[in-house]
Amino acid sequence: GENVEQHPSTLSVQEGDSAVIKCTYSDSASNYFPWYKQELGKRPQLIIDIRSNVGEKKDQRIAVTLNKTAKHFSLHITETQPEDSAVYFCAATPGGTALIFGKGTTLSVSS
Amino acid sequence: DSGVTQTPKHLITATGQRVTLRCSPRSGDLSVYWYQQSLDQGLQFLIQYYNGEERAKGNILERFSAQQFPDLHSELNLSSLELGDSALYFCASSTSRTGTGGDEQYFGPGTRLTVT
Repeated sequence: GENVEQHPSTLSVQEGDSAVIKCTYSDSASNYFPWYKQELGKRPQLIIDIRSNVGEKKDQRIAVTLNKTAKHFSLHITETQPEDSAVYFCAATPGGTALIFGKGTTLSVSS
Repeated sequence: DSGVTQTPKHLITATGQRVTLRCSPRSGDLSVYWYQQSLDQGLQFLIQYYNGEERAKGNILERFSAQQFPDLHSELNLSSLELGDSALYFCASSTSRTGTGGDEQYFGPGTRLTVT
């Protein structure tokens, strides 16, 4: 089945710096790649997603890139702010149904 | 607020017991997904229902079962509970019109289950 690897597991940056989180997937049939942000004790919140027919998508300070050939996708956050501190999860959808999640990245933004 | 509701918020029970978790999807969403989040296993897909029918199964134990009712709310039943079942259980609903996925999933607030 699908396996999603996510790196790094923890990431510490200074306010205003950029943060990059990378994921790889194994199933070439996966066609939808969302990113979720989860604050402690709260629900995962969809922040951005990308489909397999698109290489890059941007929404204000966040962007996602997808390389289908290499089977990897990345989340880029620019001008980080303390409120960006959270756990970020990538996911893929093999067979187009359930989300298979990476293990998560704990992002800490210090001011 | 995602529009997905879950009850109860917290549940504390003893080993060997049975509990039922409830989820109401966003208005108009036909697909419901259940996920388990534990510290050691991360976020894991359990099962999906689409318009009342089971559509996909993940790492769901035989002691666990689910169903989706005609009003589209769903229940996850966990029986013969073990200490290792302690986790956050999330329900998500999807905008998918076909149940085949590839659409945004919106998560409910979760039910924190503690088995003692």
